[in-house]
Amino acid sequence: GDSVTQMEGPVTLSEEAFLTINCTYTATGYPSLFWYVQYPGEGLQLLLKATKADDKGSNKGFEATYRKETTSFHLEKGSVQVSDSAVYFCALSNFGNEKLTFGTGTRLTIIP
Amino acid sequence: DVKVTQSSRYLVKRTGEKVFLECVQDMDHENMFWYRQDPGLGLRLIYFSYDVKMKEKGDIPEGYSVSREKKERFSLILESASTNQTSMYLCASSPDWNTGELFFGEGSRLTVL
Repeated sequence: GDSVTQMEGPVTLSEEAFLTINCTYTATGYPSLFWYVQYPGEGLQLLLKATKADDKGSNKGFEATYRKETTSFHLEKGSVQVSDSAVYFCALSNFGNEKLTFGTGTRLTIIP
Repeated sequence: DVKVTQSSRYLVKRTGEKVFLECVQDMDHENMFWYRQDPGLGLRLIYFSYDVKMKEKGDIPEGYSVSREKKERFSLILESASTNQTSMYLCASSPDWNTGELFFGEGSRLTVL
């Protein structure tokens, strides 16, 4: 079945550091890929998405590129802020439906 | 703004009790979902519904049932709670298929003693 693997956390970075959170997937067909973010005490919210190979999703300074050849969708940000501290989930959907498969989540802490 | 409201943020129940978790969305969304979130396991889909009175099993439906009598409300039922159902439960909704954008509630943390 479909699966998503993301890097183990927690990840701790200093403010203004460069961030990469790795995500790889296994799926048949041509899935859509997503990053969701969960801030402390809140529900998950969509951060960005990409629906086909080589698409780049971006939002709030975060970016991720859908790489079919490496089955990856790594999340990057050039300069993180304390407010980026959250749990980040990589996810996929297949066959054009809303039934998302999530990774295990990566907790990110940014220290001033 | 879309709002998904879960009735209880924290619950403590005893083994064998029947537990109801309620979820209401205010944006007339067709699809609703129940996930549980556990450390190291991420989110796992319990049940989902794409229409009133319709339901489909997700990946881990055992020990749970659901009810959707009205479009805006989706209830998760634990008929006889067990300690291994201690978890964070997340409700979500989406307007239609093929967008991948789910709107989540803040979660209900259930502890079963």
